[in-house]
Amino acid sequence: GESVGLHLPTLSVQEGDNSIINCAYSNSASDYFIWYKQESGKGPQFIIDIRSNMDKRQGQRVTVLLNKTVKHLSLQIAATQPGDSAVYFCAENIFRGSSNTGKLIFGQGTTLQVKP
Amino acid sequence: EAGVAQSPRYKIIEKRQSVAFWCNPISGHATLYWYQQILGQGPKLLIQFQNNGVVDDSQLPKDRFSAERLKGVDSTLKIQPAKLEDSAVYLCASSLRAGVSYEQYFGPGTRLTVT
Repeated sequence: GESVGLHLPTLSVQEGDNSIINCAYSNSASDYFIWYKQESGKGPQFIIDIRSNMDKRQGQRVTVLLNKTVKHLSLQIAATQPGDSAVYFCAENIFRGSSNTGKLIFGQGTTLQVKP
Repeated sequence: EAGVAQSPRYKIIEKRQSVAFWCNPISGHATLYWYQQILGQGPKLLIQFQNNGVVDDSQLPKDRFSAERLKGVDSTLKIQPAKLEDSAVYLCASSLRAGVSYEQYFGPGTRLTVT
């Protein structure tokens, strides 16, 4: 069935180090992927997205890499800060051709802990 | 711009009672979503509205859950009767349109505890 999963439930890094959060997906038909950040008591917040015709996309301090061959997605955070501490979810947005709409399927999340 | 508003933020009920959640999306957003997020898991889509019509309710437990968006703006999600396994955070999200490239904006959620 459809599923989007993350490799590690928790990642602990030192402030200032780079963080890499991984995600494996199973739906080879997905063509749009999104990373979300969820802080305690809040809803998920969009970080960065990537389409399947790309293998890399950069934002401010964040980079998403997509490897369609092995169906793997990663989020890299440069110079990790205490404010980056949160749960990170990857999600695939599946296109429903019949209604021309998208449907988000989320993975289980990785908790990023930043040590000062 | 104001974000997605949800109320209440917290609710504790006993099993077999009923409960309702309210969502006010971002102004002008045609598409509204309700998600269920069980502790330690990612959000799972329950129902998606395009204006006041249902696009997808395939994962909504229709024997106990119902949702409406009568005027194409605010929405309510109801559970009747509640079960212990309904304990979760219920997230509302909205997007300008329903296409894959339109960003979904999430509200803070309602945390439901069923005892």
